[in-house]
Amino acid sequence: GAVVSQHPSWVICKSGTSVKIECRSLDFQATTMFWYRQFPKQSLMLMATSNEGSKATYEQGVEKDKFLINHASLTLSTLTVTSAHPEDSSFYICSALRAGAADTQYFGPGTRLTVL
Amino acid sequence: DAKTTQPPSMDCAEGRAANLPCNHSTISGNEYVYWYRQIHSQGPQYIIHGLKNNETNEMASLIITEDRKSSTLILPHATLRDTAVYYCIVRPSTNAGKSTFGDGTTLTVKP
Repeated sequence: GAVVSQHPSWVICKSGTSVKIECRSLDFQATTMFWYRQFPKQSLMLMATSNEGSKATYEQGVEKDKFLINHASLTLSTLTVTSAHPEDSSFYICSALRAGAADTQYFGPGTRLTVL
Repeated sequence: DAKTTQPPSMDCAEGRAANLPCNHSTISGNEYVYWYRQIHSQGPQYIIHGLKNNETNEMASLIITEDRKSSTLILPHATLRDTAVYYCIVRPSTNAGKSTFGDGTTLTVKP
């Protein structure tokens, strides 16, 4: 149990276009999901917290109008990178919070975005 | 979230136990210790978590000191596939529980 998927696993796009990344919790419901970004040889950086049915909470320095997050159901959150530029090229990872005695985050496999 | 300190790198011989330490001296009473690992170009994988008692599952054991200021993740019989970056994270167990990642420990298992 506790499987989180992401789609696509990798994407290459032209500068100025928008890219949507999906994150799904496959065998549990998640009222809260998180989006991280990871640059080469660096650790994961939290971008935003996505709550089902409400607006996402963005970390300081993350542009909410550029990284649009939608959490429309208990198993799906999407991240849209709008007007992507080469500096947005990164590894984007989502996680879903499974409730329990101690809430535990389970991570997706990540999406490699390359903006040309 | 409480700050954690981990050694940047460790080596371990294949088949031997790998003991990965983590210091979290500012941990609060309601904060759990979580361990994840990340194999190159993959998302982090949950390993284990604990509050104050030692924990064991099919992947690893977690030893938390009595004062909860440090912990050790033990991989009992390390394999080459255990080579990864291991992250120790301390956070409350509430629904807000976002995880803040430090630099972790790069464990290299050698044949």
